[in-house]
Amino acid sequence: DGGITQSPKYLFRKEGQNVTLSCEQNLNHDAMYWYRQDPGQGLRLIYYSQIVNDFQKGDIAEGYSVSREKKESFPLTVTSAQKNPTAFYLCASEGGTGNTIYFGEGSWLTVV
Amino acid sequence: GNSVTQMEGPVTLSEEAFLTINCTYTATGYPSLFWYVQYPGEGLQLLLKATKADDKGSNKGFEATYRKETTSFHLEKGSVQVSDSAVYFCALSPNTGGFKTIFGAGTRLFVKA
Repeated sequence: DGGITQSPKYLFRKEGQNVTLSCEQNLNHDAMYWYRQDPGQGLRLIYYSQIVNDFQKGDIAEGYSVSREKKESFPLTVTSAQKNPTAFYLCASEGGTGNTIYFGEGSWLTVV
Repeated sequence: GNSVTQMEGPVTLSEEAFLTINCTYTATGYPSLFWYVQYPGEGLQLLLKATKADDKGSNKGFEATYRKETTSFHLEKGSVQVSDSAVYFCALSPNTGGFKTIFGAGTRLFVKA
């Protein structure tokens, strides 16, 4: 089945650590996105990539980094510079009619 | 600039009640419009979409019509079920270069048995 796979579903980070969230898609989409969602809140754009080897900062990029070495993959690193990283992280890709966004199942990150 | 405004929640209904969640937008040109649904602890799922004026998107009993004259895309369902309890997001894609879809703040729906 085509879709977006995020891993891990749950991740715990100690203070001062960097962690990386994986996102893989087999939809053959050029554009990919990372969003952050805090409990009971809407979506905030972290980074987006329209093509391999290119990405742009979204609205809340500070403390995060990404890479786009392959079309299928868009990993997100939450660095120690992100002071409040506990949140639900959603990866997405875009394609099809009307530039439709398709989401993964999300990853929960908790600082312990 | 482009924006999406949807009604604040939570919306609480009894099973079999009629649902309307309002969504209005501001955009230049002719955007595509979407409704997404998010069940607890999950990612967003595309519920329906419309890509041009007067189009009606429909899925799982939900409907929304792209009204350019009122810049609206209200979500409706004739008879809600407990399983429809979720957060609903209205979204807009500018269709100008194909990036940066804009999402509304979300409306939480509770359906009581």
